[in-house]
Amino acid sequence: GQNIDQPTEMTATEGAIVQINCTYQTSGFNGLFWYQQHAGEAPTFLSYNVLDGLEEKGRFSSFLSRSKGYSYLLLKELQMKDSASYLCAVRDLTGANNLFFGTGTRLTVIP
Amino acid sequence: GAGVSQSPSNKVTEKGKDVELRCDPISGHTALYWYRQRLGQGLEFLIYFQGNSAPDKSGLPSDRFSAERTGESVSTLTIQRTQQEDSAVYLCASSSPGQKLFFGSGTQLSVL
Repeated sequence: GQNIDQPTEMTATEGAIVQINCTYQTSGFNGLFWYQQHAGEAPTFLSYNVLDGLEEKGRFSSFLSRSKGYSYLLLKELQMKDSASYLCAVRDLTGANNLFFGTGTRLTVIP
Repeated sequence: GAGVSQSPSNKVTEKGKDVELRCDPISGHTALYWYRQRLGQGLEFLIYFQGNSAPDKSGLPSDRFSAERTGESVSTLTIQRTQQEDSAVYLCASSSPGQKLFFGSGTQLSVL
């Protein structure tokens, strides 16, 4: 089975840096995704990690440690438009590569 | 089409009625997923189709829920005898094997 944990809510200041953590337990890990979801909209893809280390893409970076069952999403130079939910999702090889989501972290960026 | 298309975008129904939700995946995507999202909550897995393999139905909450997929094309999610607790956004996504998911805009289901 899968067990994916994220903080429910976070608040950060415009221009700052925020780190959103995700821990997981799964029987057949085969990659971890981060998605962004603005209120009332569908999730959109942010990043994908399958090997240990840091993947950087502009203001967003994602880190993975498979041995620790741990990932984080790092958002730099926060903008008001970054206020959204951030969803961690784990691909399960034993489930024919099914994808399971955590409950999401609602980030509020304040001026 | 260019993206995942879901219909209807909104559905209001009376308790006890059956509803059918439709998903048109991106052409060529062999994997198709259905998720349910209640207000302010995360994505709850419902069902997963991968090519010609037997679907993973382990997320369906009750026998009132069923889904079908025609080959690697359209999928329909059917909810029989709807209950107020079924009110949620139903999201469909598709992908190539092992690749990122592309989501549709969802169907907002309201059961009165």
